[in-house]
Amino acid sequence: GAVVSQHPSRVICKSGTSVKIECRSLDFQATTMFWYRQFPKKSLMLMATSNEGSKATYEQGVEKDKFLINHASLTLSTLTVTSAHPEDSSFYICSARVARPTWDYGYTFGSGTRLTVV
Amino acid sequence: QQQVKQSPQSLIVQKGGISIINCAYENTAFDYFPWYQQFPGKGPALLIAIRPDVSEKKEGRFTISFNKSAKQFSLHIMDSQPGDSATYFCAAREFTQGGSEKLVFGKGTKLTVNP
Repeated sequence: GAVVSQHPSRVICKSGTSVKIECRSLDFQATTMFWYRQFPKKSLMLMATSNEGSKATYEQGVEKDKFLINHASLTLSTLTVTSAHPEDSSFYICSARVARPTWDYGYTFGSGTRLTVV
Repeated sequence: QQQVKQSPQSLIVQKGGISIINCAYENTAFDYFPWYQQFPGKGPALLIAIRPDVSEKKEGRFTISFNKSAKQFSLHIMDSQPGDSATYFCAAREFTQGGSEKLVFGKGTKLTVNP
């Protein structure tokens, strides 16, 4: 149980365009979702936290106008990278908090999206 | 300031050996300590997690040892296998002043298990 589906797994886009990444909780309700960015051979950096039906909370230094997060339902959160530039190229990973967490499934991660901006 | 310090950065173990990864923290308000395994190009997968009121938790070949007074916790992988070769992250959960929660991750340990 507690599966998070993230799409697409890879995307290449042109500089200046926008890209949307979807994160779905398949078999549970996710009251809170997290978006991370991971650089090669580095740890996960939290970008923002979203709660269903409310505005996302962004970490310091993360541009909220560039990285738009929407958490419209208990099973879907999206990250839109607007006006993408090559420096936005990275591995983006979502995570969902189970509404009634157990110690085994408190936070489940998606499989990640490799974004390449050319 | 790195809130969760993980070591070693890389680790090479022979098949059948024991892999040990250590983490230390300062924030005594952390209340949940998970370990994640990540393969290249994939998202992290939860291996095992522990609460601060428990000193040890074992699941199969994976064991977390937790020392609350020393503010340290470690992952032990018994009978390490080549398939265990991956990057391992420790993490700790904190609740911010605004009431939101987040996981704080260590920098990761790249484990290589030689056949």
